[in-house]
Amino acid sequence: DSGVTQTPKHLITATGQRVTLRCSPRSGDLSVYWYQQSLDQGLQFLIQYYNGEERAKGNILERFSAQQFPDLHSELNLSSLELGDSALYFCASSVEGGQLFSGNTIYFGEGSWLTVV
Amino acid sequence: QKEVEQDPGPLSVPEGAIVSLNCTYSNSAFQYFMWYRQYSRKGPELLMYTYSSGNKEDGRFTAQVDKSSKYISLFIRDSQPSDSATYLCAMGSGGSNYKLTFGKGTLLTVNP
Repeated sequence: DSGVTQTPKHLITATGQRVTLRCSPRSGDLSVYWYQQSLDQGLQFLIQYYNGEERAKGNILERFSAQQFPDLHSELNLSSLELGDSALYFCASSVEGGQLFSGNTIYFGEGSWLTVV
Repeated sequence: QKEVEQDPGPLSVPEGAIVSLNCTYSNSAFQYFMWYRQYSRKGPELLMYTYSSGNKEDGRFTAQVDKSSKYISLFIRDSQPSDSATYLCAMGSGGSNYKLTFGKGTLLTVNP
């Protein structure tokens, strides 16, 4: 158990709908990352927050948005869903949000499976 | 050309075999190299971390980085059925953010 909690574990929704994925980072971790994993694209970085502020942005669509709240939990909002958005969405957390170094390991949650039908 | 290329396999080996997993990359700015292991329906977990070129050993696992060839490897000695998982290479260039670029993963099955 990595200590990163994601809900819901599975979600089935229709095209055009909106969903919210929730993440609670490990205790003491200030940085939260969202990744999307699909069969054809692999694991893709979406966005990073550090202590409530957006730190880095990756391949995140405009239909997607995220935020990190004062209690450090984070939500990923996916709207106007398309079939191609079906994927496993991972949240990860780390203590720091800065330069990569051996101590700044990021820990992944078990993911939220999203199926768009 | 993709930034990180990884043979998806699948790779099937008998128990006790030496396993070699590899990734190539095109971005010469990458300095941090990692291997993650992902069991089915679970999140990736960090297995090995290497900075710049060289080798790193941890138990049955050895990670090698050859920056001149833009090639990294993970060797698993005395492979066990419990090593059956998808192995993902990941790379970062450092700086002020923590973006990791992942390979698509190699599915490994170790048969008892």
